[in-house]
Amino acid sequence: NAGVIQTPRHKVTGKGQEATLWCEPISGHSAVFWYRQTIVQGLEFLTYFRNQAPIDDSGMPKERFSAQMPNQSHSTLKIQSTQPQDSAVYLCASSLEGLGYEQYFGPGTRLTVL
Amino acid sequence: TQTVSQSDAHVTVFEGDSVELRCNYSYGGSIYLSWYIQHHGRGLQFLLKYYSGNPVVQGVNGFEAEFSKSDSSFHLRKASVHWSDSAVYFCAARGATGGNNKLTFGQGTVLSVIP
Repeated sequence: NAGVIQTPRHKVTGKGQEATLWCEPISGHSAVFWYRQTIVQGLEFLTYFRNQAPIDDSGMPKERFSAQMPNQSHSTLKIQSTQPQDSAVYLCASSLEGLGYEQYFGPGTRLTVL
Repeated sequence: TQTVSQSDAHVTVFEGDSVELRCNYSYGGSIYLSWYIQHHGRGLQFLLKYYSGNPVVQGVNGFEAEFSKSDSSFHLRKASVHWSDSAVYFCAARGATGGNNKLTFGQGTVLSVIP
């Protein structure tokens, strides 16, 4: 079990460019989550999929952020027209679906917007 | 609105000391609580969880936590810390019913263990 895989580990973009972050959940896990971590805001929930269907995107900035899960083996988080305030570590987590299951986190992608 | 509060931003102890990291929550219904550890530059690693049953739960590496409904708390403890326990610790919560499993995190506590 390789755990949750996130690529790339580091990404640097210029202001206004697009960034796509990838997540491969643990095989067999039906729930996939995206969180963002910054020094100022801490850990914030972004969005959540269950069996590839979007369940809750209440944490997503509405205009430039989007997430998809086209199949059970990967999810993407896309940020259009990146801004310096998007600089953060983006964490993906997966879990089995049910009351008592914990979420397992990937190593994160550090996005730096210049 | 669900909130999680970790009152200590930084805790420093000597190796071999005991330590307690505090977590308090605010939530109206049944709650699922967990603790995670984050070493520098790494992702979050699960330590332990509580959602029902015995309020004292055991986790990895000698950690334990105790749930208290009356105090709205879920404090993490370890009897004898090792220098490798130095890391940031996050308390997290979600509702235990309703089907939405997104986690709300506390601000984190930096634990520094002096060898």
